[in-house]
Amino acid sequence: SQTIHQWPATLVQPVGSPLSLECTVEGTSNPNLYWYRQAAGRGLQLLFYSVGIGQISSEVPQNLSASRPQDRQFILSSKKLLLSDSGFYLCAWSRQGSTEAFFGQGTRLTVV
Amino acid sequence: GENVEQHPSTLSVQEGDSAVIKCTYSDSASNYFPWYKQELGKGPQLIIDIRSNVGEKKDQRIAVTLNKTAKHFSLHITETQPEDSAVYFCAARKWGSQGNLIFGKGTKLSVKP
Repeated sequence: SQTIHQWPATLVQPVGSPLSLECTVEGTSNPNLYWYRQAAGRGLQLLFYSVGIGQISSEVPQNLSASRPQDRQFILSSKKLLLSDSGFYLCAWSRQGSTEAFFGQGTRLTVV
Repeated sequence: GENVEQHPSTLSVQEGDSAVIKCTYSDSASNYFPWYKQELGKGPQLIIDIRSNVGEKKDQRIAVTLNKTAKHFSLHITETQPEDSAVYFCAARKWGSQGNLIFGKGTKLSVKP
């Protein structure tokens, strides 16, 4: 069976510090990978998606970047965090050509 | 691009009653409509979905209906239980698009015992 791991579960970082959130998927190969952000009281906003190693599409301009160094690894990064980067970050995956998306447990990021 | 509107934003029902959440979408090319349930502090979990070649789908106490002409779809939960309390999200997507699920803003459902 397929599983998705996302860590850390919670993170408190000072403004201006770097960020690295990691997501890995097990039990499948060549998945589509996604990073979403969920602000308090709002829906899920797609930040990045990837259809393969090194292939990253950005949906919204922002202070964040994503990388996919391996087939089942997706990393969300920032060089300098802003207060507005606080939120709940979710990684998700789907099979190539499939419509169902499966989410990780999320990372609660608080920038102070 | 696609835009998904979801109503209501909050819904409170008594245990045993039914709950209905409605969504509308703007892109007539969208043809996949999933519903997710998100419990506090967790990631969303897919609970049911429907494709545009189907008008209704049911799974035990949960059902989803789709009206392509009106571009709206609804989630129906019957015989609600306290454990149904969560935030529910609808979403829409075009078949074959690499993206990207476009989500509604969510409905916080509270089921009172």
